[in-house]
Amino acid sequence: EPEVTQTPSHQVTQMGQEVILRCVPISNHLYFYWYRQILGQKVEFLVSFYNNEISEKSEIFDDQFSVERPDGSNFTLKIRSTKLEDSAMYFCASNPGSGTDTQYFGPGTRLTVL
Amino acid sequence: GENVEQHPSTLSVQEGDSAVIKCTYSDSASNYFPWYKQELGKGPQLIIDIRSNVGEKKDQRIAVTLNKTAKHFSLHITETQPEDSAVYFCAASRSDIYGNKLVFGAGTILRVKS
Repeated sequence: EPEVTQTPSHQVTQMGQEVILRCVPISNHLYFYWYRQILGQKVEFLVSFYNNEISEKSEIFDDQFSVERPDGSNFTLKIRSTKLEDSAMYFCASNPGSGTDTQYFGPGTRLTVL
Repeated sequence: GENVEQHPSTLSVQEGDSAVIKCTYSDSASNYFPWYKQELGKGPQLIIDIRSNVGEKKDQRIAVTLNKTAKHFSLHITETQPEDSAVYFCAASRSDIYGNKLVFGAGTILRVKS
């Protein structure tokens, strides 16, 4: 069964550094998402992406964040200058479109900012 | 903004007993309600979902009920087994907007004691 994959599984970085989190959504899916989960808290929506552009973003998704689908298979989340409070689990999800509501989640990348 | 409240935060049951988790949503335009199971170190996995034109849906030992008037929906797990132990999240979404975000509840830690 096709799955969403994410790399790396764990990323440790110094405050102020740039990080890129990578996702490979399920093939032929049309909608892509990033969510984050700070330890012990809710899963929070960051951004949705469709047809090569952002369709919606949350207040969390400020100018430090960007998303890209560089090559038709990968979907990336870049944090330009990481802060301590960016430490969280980041989940990528995809949705096939065509009237289907289901979002399929990847296993996540644990980001630790020191 | 949209909000989803989930109760209880933790739930311990004996193997074979039933477990019920309840959620309340604030956005009356929400019409899609998925439930996700998250095991340690993994991403959320969809276990069942319901749309607002249906009051109840069942899949083997799992059922979900929806009360649109009260803006409540619940997950029912019967004949619980140790492998049901996990964190369960409810979510709400407006599927009239393609690719719309999921708003998650805070999660319920379910422990099934054998």
